[in-house]
Amino acid sequence: GAVVSQHPSRVICKSGTSVKIECRSLDFQATTMFWYRQFPKQSLMLMATSNEGSKATYEQGVEKDKFLINHASLTLSTLTVTSAHPEDSSFYICSAKDRVAEAFFGQGTRLTVV
Amino acid sequence: GENVEQHPSTLSVQEGDSAVIKCTYSDSASNYFPWYKQELGKRPQLIIDIRSNVGEKKDQRIAVTLNKTAKHFSLHITETQPEDSAVYFCAATSGTYKYIFGTGTRLKVLA
Repeated sequence: GAVVSQHPSRVICKSGTSVKIECRSLDFQATTMFWYRQFPKQSLMLMATSNEGSKATYEQGVEKDKFLINHASLTLSTLTVTSAHPEDSSFYICSAKDRVAEAFFGQGTRLTVV
Repeated sequence: GENVEQHPSTLSVQEGDSAVIKCTYSDSASNYFPWYKQELGKRPQLIIDIRSNVGEKKDQRIAVTLNKTAKHFSLHITETQPEDSAVYFCAATSGTYKYIFGTGTRLKVLA
């Protein structure tokens, strides 16, 4: 299957700082990328959908000013958690798809805010 | 919007037995139903999927069935092995690949 690379895999940051997570499609052009959040022992919850070159669509209850998503190219989307707090600690996973294929997941980023 | 329910939340089976996980969905427009296996701390991995024009699909020890009328689909794992132990998620989408996931099933295969 196609390769989606997510970086970093783990990050620890201080409360109040911002963290950027990158999601790259390595061997295909991702017209759409999705960002999910997964709390321990829970399911994956969709946060937002981003299409290349346009603004992301956020799911209900997700703060767009806190979780900034940029999808400036067909191979890269970034999620920035601004002014992170301990309750933002979670496993963040992206997925990417092209026009015809299924969506492929990145390896995930474990964010710990201390 | 779509809502996906998954049962059971935990499932323990003896090695060699079969395991069945069931999901129901609400949006009749959903037409693609993947199943993912997630090991602790790792990304979900697609193990099998089914589209709405098919009633059943099999891949070695894994099979998925779909009942469009009842809006439910199931994952069947036969001859379970300890390495099948993981969390399994079903998902549904209407083709946008905006996946709505079920709540997950923690499968334990006892040796």
